[in-house]
Amino acid sequence: GAGVSQTPSNKVTEKGKYVELRCDPISGHTALYWYRQSLGQGPEFLIYFQGTGAADDSGLPNDRFFAVRPEGSVSTLKIQRTERGDSAVYLCASSPSGGLRDEQFFGPGTRLTVL
Amino acid sequence: QQQVKQSPQSLIVQKGGISIINCAYENTAFDYFPWYQQFPGKGPALLIAIRPDVSEKKEGRFTISFNKSAKQFSLHIMDSQPGDSATYFCAATDQGAQKLVFGQGTRLTINP
Repeated sequence: GAGVSQTPSNKVTEKGKYVELRCDPISGHTALYWYRQSLGQGPEFLIYFQGTGAADDSGLPNDRFFAVRPEGSVSTLKIQRTERGDSAVYLCASSPSGGLRDEQFFGPGTRLTVL
Repeated sequence: QQQVKQSPQSLIVQKGGISIINCAYENTAFDYFPWYQQFPGKGPALLIAIRPDVSEKKEGRFTISFNKSAKQFSLHIMDSQPGDSATYFCAATDQGAQKLVFGQGTRLTINP
């Protein structure tokens, strides 16, 4: 079946602009995660959704970052007033139920470049 | 705050050799330790995982060794193949949180 998909695959924007990154999880997965991966580093947790609600948003770096999952499926990560330091690969993952040992299935990521 | 420390940063192994990657953690609440494999342009994919109530888990050529008292765990890749060339991440999570905490990654190159 289809895996996690993310669009766009690449996004180049200018400092100060607003961007939206989209994630389509595996069908039926109730848990959805966003991570950010800087060059040469491991992914860093941003936010976790269980259904429509954000169960843990402790990883969002500041209030310029916001994510939604209005119908419990597709999620959008929104970044306002982008800064050059926001440049990274943004990864989305989903898991069947969000259980401790549920495998998280990752998408290919969106590479965000802020000029 | 680096909760999971991974070494080495890069590793070159000859085909057929053993690749060993090490991780150490600080948070004693961690109780699930997966390893992920990532190829360029792809997202990480789960390779193998271990719970702290066992000291070793083997799946094919991949083995995790776990030392709870030392708070360390390692990945061993036996009979390493060129197709194993990728970046490997150790990770950890605890029962109170679903988020994965990743190490910095090890770029593994298997020379033919």
